[in-house]
Amino acid sequence: EADIYQTPRYLVIGTGKKITLECSQTMGHDKMYWYQQDPGMELHLIHYSYGVNSTEKGDLSSESTVSRIRTEHFPLTLESARPSHTSQYLCASSDGLAAGDTQYFGPGTRLTVL
Amino acid sequence: GNSVTQMEGPVTLSEEAFLTINCTYTATGYPSLFWYVQYPGEGLQLLLKATKADDKGSNKGFEATYRKETTSFHLEKGSVQVSDSAVYFCALSDHNTNAGKSTFGDGTTLTVKP
Repeated sequence: EADIYQTPRYLVIGTGKKITLECSQTMGHDKMYWYQQDPGMELHLIHYSYGVNSTEKGDLSSESTVSRIRTEHFPLTLESARPSHTSQYLCASSDGLAAGDTQYFGPGTRLTVL
Repeated sequence: GNSVTQMEGPVTLSEEAFLTINCTYTATGYPSLFWYVQYPGEGLQLLLKATKADDKGSNKGFEATYRKETTSFHLEKGSVQVSDSAVYFCALSDHNTNAGKSTFGDGTTLTVKP
């Protein structure tokens, strides 16, 4: 059982609000990721980090930002939420093994912006 | 670059039917291959993986063989159950290219009816 947590699980918020989605893992993994998941279930990588003080933008452009001040914590922030940000957000971490870099996912945060 | 193409869904089967979900990949290096499963309301979890050519990954009655000659990693199960209803993602991870990030297919939704 992977130890990666996301809060909140569900969030309904009004346009213009600032929100932070929390993600924490207790496995000591250096690599962490944020994905946005479509209703059609496709995964889009929006941010990743290879360790403390390392953050990179992913393949899908996103108005969100991330930080990595501690190994175990990788929060995602939206400064001003819009209806187009409505989606499922999945956080993951990986063990970084050369032979088979398995990703471990949190349960997700379903965000609805009204 | 790397890419993963998997069989489009949705797939609907009766209980005890045979399951195949096709997955092919394109990679410039020597990737590890994965199948992840996502149950309703949850994040993805590793189902099985294979790290080199001709390896067979297996778990919970599911199997997939890493076929380098056909660049494929098809998922099979001999007798599906209602509890196997989920979304299945094929993925690859190449430690030497793409900075070790995983590349996911678009997901295939499986529904098993009693």
